[in-house]
Amino acid sequence: AQTVTQSQPEMSVQEAETVTLSCTYDTSESDYYLFWYKQPPSRQMILVIRQEAYKQQNATENRFSVNFQKAAKSFSLKISDSQLGDAAMYFCAYIGGMYSGGGADGLTFGKGTHLIIQP
Amino acid sequence: KAGVTQTPRYLIKTRGQQVTLSCSPISGHRSVSWYQQTPGQGLQFLFEYFSETQRNKGNFPGRFSGRQFSNSRSEMNVSTLELGDSALYLCASSPKSPALGGDTQYFGPGTRLTVL
Repeated sequence: AQTVTQSQPEMSVQEAETVTLSCTYDTSESDYYLFWYKQPPSRQMILVIRQEAYKQQNATENRFSVNFQKAAKSFSLKISDSQLGDAAMYFCAYIGGMYSGGGADGLTFGKGTHLIIQP
Repeated sequence: KAGVTQTPRYLIKTRGQQVTLSCSPISGHRSVSWYQQTPGQGLQFLFEYFSETQRNKGNFPGRFSGRQFSNSRSEMNVSTLELGDSALYLCASSPKSPALGGDTQYFGPGTRLTVL
């Protein structure tokens, strides 16, 4: 079974600074997808960014970017110019692709990192 | 497009009762997945429905069941409620089944179930 590990239960960053959230995963598959989701106090799970394992280029979405190291099974999220609205729980998630079980176990989530933004 | 909607948003039940939660996916999405979120266990996959058929199931007892209708709306049922079933239940929709490859899952706001 796949596992996703987020080793930082909580992170704090000053507004306008940059912060990096860590995520490692364990899988024997080569076809999979990785995601970062954000869950603010409203509890709505919001997609931040998605990465296909077959793509070497790191995904970016405005102020959010990832550092995807496939060999090391690492998938960190960098948030630039942090804003107060970025405060939330951040979850790293994995799902197998069509050629490796096709998400038979749904999304596998890490335990989350609570991001605090200091004004 | 309207997002994923879930009803009710909050629910209080007592042990032994049963409960039904509803999820309406994004228009055009045919896959609905359900997840349970608790402080202790985190986010866990319950099951996934596609074209009115359960395609995948997580490691939950048979008290947890679901179904999907022809309009892709899905319901989740929990029978004989236990205190440990208190959780946030999230549903997520995607255009096609995850079995066909990594579509992004878009989540609803969740239903907070409290079992007394």
